Amino acid sequence: GAGVSQSPSNKVTEKGKDVELRCDPISGHTALYWYRQSLGQGLEFLIYFQGNSAPDKSGLPSDRFSAERTGGSVSTLTIQRTQQEDSAVYLCASSQGRAGGSPLHFGNGTRLTVT
Amino acid sequence: SQQGEEDPQALSIQEGENATMNCSYKTSINNLQWYRQNSGRGLVHLILIRSNEREKHSGRLRVTLDTSKKSSSLLITASRAADTASYFCATDLIQGAQKLVFGQGTRLTINP
Repeated sequence: GAGVSQSPSNKVTEKGKDVELRCDPISGHTALYWYRQSLGQGLEFLIYFQGNSAPDKSGLPSDRFSAERTGGSVSTLTIQRTQQEDSAVYLCASSQGRAGGSPLHFGNGTRLTVT
Repeated sequence: SQQGEEDPQALSIQEGENATMNCSYKTSINNLQWYRQNSGRGLVHLILIRSNEREKHSGRLRVTLDTSKKSSSLLITASRAADTASYFCATDLIQGAQKLVFGQGTRLTINP
């Protein structure tokens, strides 16, 4: 497809379980970003990839959160031992160049609900 | 605290009127971008304005940037019902990581 694809679109999980969220960026985009958006709020930066490396992990809320990117393409965000406060929409975006100088192309997000 | 703050938080106007949303930020930037988000969807890029630019147009959108006041505005002229969405500004800091820092957004409602 032409856009950023995220899966699943919705995920309901029980507290304490692990979840894995997937992002397929636009082909050829070297930069990939994960953001989190709580209901009615702005976007909270989580992590940024340039190629397969993550120069900036400053936004990951705790060591329960991790992310990887393979082949300079697909990225997965893993949340271990989920908590109710992890409930949010997780948005992935990609861009051709560095963040500020290039538009970000967003997926439609994964809505995570932790019960 | 957030780098960017939009004002107002919510705006409701009649179709055909102009809508103005403002964004203020705290530290020096390279660029500023505006995005739109329809309910339940991802964000869509609208305009990027660089720190050495003062104004930029795209169709019915006009963005201004005043780096001395650390503020930007987004004007939508001749609003339509389809413009109903949340609008976010995002800043690219001169110092710091390669990321866009988003504000809390303005919820715009266009009444037919």
